[in-house]
Amino acid sequence: DSGVTQTPKHLITATGQRVTLRCSPRSGDLSVYWYQQSLDQGLQFLIQYYNGEERAKGNILERFSAQQFPDLHSELNLSSLELGDSALYFCASSVRTVPPYEQYFGPGTRLTVT
Amino acid sequence: ELKVEQNPLFLSMQEGKNYTIYCNYSTTSDRLYWYRQDPGKSLESLFVLLSNGAVKQEGRLMASLDTKARLSTLHITAAVHDLSATYFCAVDNRNYGGSQGNLIFGKGTKLSVKP
Repeated sequence: DSGVTQTPKHLITATGQRVTLRCSPRSGDLSVYWYQQSLDQGLQFLIQYYNGEERAKGNILERFSAQQFPDLHSELNLSSLELGDSALYFCASSVRTVPPYEQYFGPGTRLTVT
Repeated sequence: ELKVEQNPLFLSMQEGKNYTIYCNYSTTSDRLYWYRQDPGKSLESLFVLLSNGAVKQEGRLMASLDTKARLSTLHITAAVHDLSATYFCAVDNRNYGGSQGNLIFGKGTKLSVKP
């Protein structure tokens, strides 16, 4: 158990819908990262937050957005869902400013768009 | 753009044999990570390599980093069935406009250890 929690574990929804994925980082970690894992794209970095502020963006679609709240939990919002958005979405957290700069991954949310 | 390549992508081994997984990356970085993923599960951190020449070992797995060659290796010694999983290397993108901790992953090596 990495200490990172994600809800829900599974999500099945229809095309065109909107969903919210939630992540709680390890206690004390200020940095949260979102990754998407799919068969065709592999593991891709989406977005990073540090202490409530967006710090980096990767291959995140405009239909996707995220935020980190004052209690440091983060939410990833996916809208106008398409079949291709079906994937495993991971959240990771880290201390970021102290070695070994390790990222700890949550259990993931498996999103199925039908 | 930082790119990370792993090879092989698939590896079928017999128990007791040794093998090496290679991870090449396109531009200089001094932080490299190895993760293990079991089917349908999350990523488990195996090794964090933070400097040139770093070598870390845990059980039958040993990882090394050569920053000059932009190469990391994950060596498996006397493989056992329990090592069957997918192994990913990842490189910190911070030196190339990315923030600290933004990881770029290889495609993964799916390892199958057979009796």
